[in-house]
Amino acid sequence: EIVLTQSPATLSLSPGERGTLSCGASQSVGSSYVAWYQQKPGLAPRLLIYDAASRATGIPDRFSGSGSGANFTLTISRLEPEDFAVYYCQHYGSSPFTFGPGTKVDVK
Amino acid sequence: EVQLVQSGTDVKKPGESLKISCKGSGYSFTTYWIGWVRQMPGKGLEWMGIIYPGDSDTRYSPSFQGQVTISADKSISTAYLQWRSLKASDTAMYYCARLGIPGITVAAFDYWGQGSLVTVSS
Repeated sequence: EIVLTQSPATLSLSPGERGTLSCGASQSVGSSYVAWYQQKPGLAPRLLIYDAASRATGIPDRFSGSGSGANFTLTISRLEPEDFAVYYCQHYGSSPFTFGPGTKVDVK
Repeated sequence: EVQLVQSGTDVKKPGESLKISCKGSGYSFTTYWIGWVRQMPGKGLEWMGIIYPGDSDTRYSPSFQGQVTISADKSISTAYLQWRSLKASDTAMYYCARLGIPGITVAAFDYWGQGSLVTVSS
C-alpha cells in the first residue's frame, strides 16, 4: 500500500499570496496518477487536479499541479478568499487508492 | 448533468445493520467505477473501496475488507455501502464518488455525492 504524506499540515497565508503544498509517496506512483482535492467545511471534496498536472473542468488557472515519481506539488498562485480550505492529495496508481492526511490553508 | 445523490442521515445502535445508498444520474451508470470514502469527525479522507456497476467487480482497501460490503444495482443506477454489525467507531460521513474515466480504475474521483452521515451510539 502506498502511503502519502502532506506538508505542511497547516499553511497560514494572506489573500494574494502564493501557496505551495507538498505530497510525498512512500514509493513511486506510476504514470503520475495523483489527484488533488479541495474540501470546505460541511461540503464534499472537489477535484482540482488529476494526473498530477491536469486541471479539472472549471478549476481556475491559479491552481497548478506538478511532480512525478514520489513527489508532487499543488501551487495556488494568488490566494483568493474562497481558497482557504483543506487540500488532499490522492494516488490512484495501485489499489488501495489512498489519500494524504491533508493540508489546511488558513488565513494568516 | 452528472449527479450522485446519497441517502440521508442515519442514527443507529451498536450491533445494528445499515445499508446506505448512492444514486447516479446524468451519465451511463454501468460504465464508470463508483467508490466510497469515509471521513470520521474532524479527520481526513479514507478510501474504502470501489465497484464497477456493469459487472459488480469490487476492490476493497485492506483496512475495510470484511468490515463493509460494497454492492450495486445497475437496474436502478444505485450503489450501496452496507454494514452487518455497526460499531461506535463507524460514526462518520460517508461519500460516494465516481471515477472519472469509463471502464478503468486509474482515474480520480470527478463527481461526489453530498455525503451520508452515520452516527452509531447506544
